[in-house]
Amino acid sequence: GENVEQHPSTLSVQEGDSAVIKCTYSDSASNYFPWYKQELGKRPQLIIDIRSNVGEKKDQRIAVTLNKTAKHFSLHITETQPEDSAVYFCAAKGGGSYIPTFGRGTSLIVHP
Amino acid sequence: DADVTQTPRNRITKTGKRIMLECSQTKGHDRMYWYRQDPGLGLRLIYYSFDVKDINKGEISDGYSVSRQAQAKFSLSLESAIPNQTALYFCATSDLPPGLAGGRTDTQYFGPGTRLTVL
Repeated sequence: GENVEQHPSTLSVQEGDSAVIKCTYSDSASNYFPWYKQELGKRPQLIIDIRSNVGEKKDQRIAVTLNKTAKHFSLHITETQPEDSAVYFCAAKGGGSYIPTFGRGTSLIVHP
Repeated sequence: DADVTQTPRNRITKTGKRIMLECSQTKGHDRMYWYRQDPGLGLRLIYYSFDVKDINKGEISDGYSVSRQAQAKFSLSLESAIPNQTALYFCATSDLPPGLAGGRTDTQYFGPGTRLTVL
């Protein structure tokens, strides 16, 4: 089955800096890569996703890049703000599986 | 997302007790899931159901069972709770993915979670 590795487990940045979270996956047939944000005490919610037919997708301060050859994808947050502090989960789906496999999560802390 | 609800939100129980966690949704989705979240371990799939007559084990189904009573309801049971089942439990729903008839999105919509403590 699919295996998703996520790094780092904790990321601490100053407000205004950029943050990058990286994930690798094992199944080359995976074709859908979502990112979920979980604020403290809240439920995970989708913030951005990318499909295997594109290499990059942006939404305001958030972007995701995908390298199918290397089987890794990354979340980029620019101009971080304290409200970006949360746990972020990556996931990979496809290749015959109907359900996503999640990474272990990255706790992002943005210091004012 | 208020369309996916879970009851109870918090539960403290003792070892050996039977516990049922309930999930309801008004999104009209056929697909429903139960996940367990532990610090540092992410979201691990317990069971999932693609329609009322379909039940599938996830990666950590031992010690758990489920019931899909209707399209909108999916319950998780711990037949005899043990302390290492102490965790945050999430229900989720999803629509048919793109590519299937009527499919629109792969997004998973999570409920608010149930914090379970087994003493």
